[in-house]
Amino acid sequence: QKEVEQNSGPLSVPEGAIASLNCTYSDRGSQSFFWYRQYSGKSPELIMSIYSNGDKEDGRFTAQLNKASQYVSLLIRDSQPSDSATYLCAVNIRNTGGFKTIFGAGTRLFVKA
Amino acid sequence: DAGVIQSPRHEVTEMGQEVTLRCKPISGHNSLFWYRQTMMRGLELLIYFNNNVPIDDSGMPEDRFSAKMPNASFSTLKIQPSEPRDSAVYFCASSLSVRQETQYFGPGTRLLVL
Repeated sequence: QKEVEQNSGPLSVPEGAIASLNCTYSDRGSQSFFWYRQYSGKSPELIMSIYSNGDKEDGRFTAQLNKASQYVSLLIRDSQPSDSATYLCAVNIRNTGGFKTIFGAGTRLFVKA
Repeated sequence: DAGVIQSPRHEVTEMGQEVTLRCKPISGHNSLFWYRQTMMRGLELLIYFNNNVPIDDSGMPEDRFSAKMPNASFSTLKIQPSEPRDSAVYFCASSLSVRQETQYFGPGTRLLVL
């Protein structure tokens, strides 16, 4: 089992719809969870972080965390063509040095105008 | 702040040559990370430093790869000798805390080894 798993997609949604991106992780001790967005040819940039069970909202973005089920999701409301990108789920896992960040393979999202 | 700075942005070299990638983290950040990204393997952590000290280099693929951080404002990733399978985008990132919270990525170096 991979440490962080995502559906590679592509996920295609029409403009204005809700895009739902999911991620599962293997380390039950993980405490920090992140969603990064990466446009083609660019570097990843953080859009959401979440540390506690439940929902965290920031504008059109909502991150959801369920530690018991070991999944974290990202909802994008009112999707726009500019949201088309690859979304990377990242999880801090324990290692001998403390913690290190493991990235999922990413889900490609296309928002059709 | 200028953000994380990487150089060069593009590098084309021939197999067997030495390649050195450079990174300047955001001022005041204590942790620095080197990643490699390919289509096949995604974004992989190669090594990270806390307060200039290497903490975890388990992601370094083999002895041809080495990384140093001589001071808080500079790090290098060296590949010697380079091979075609090293072709990838190499990202440097930095973060404030030792617990590796939000990471800020540089623009990356696109490396092509012929």
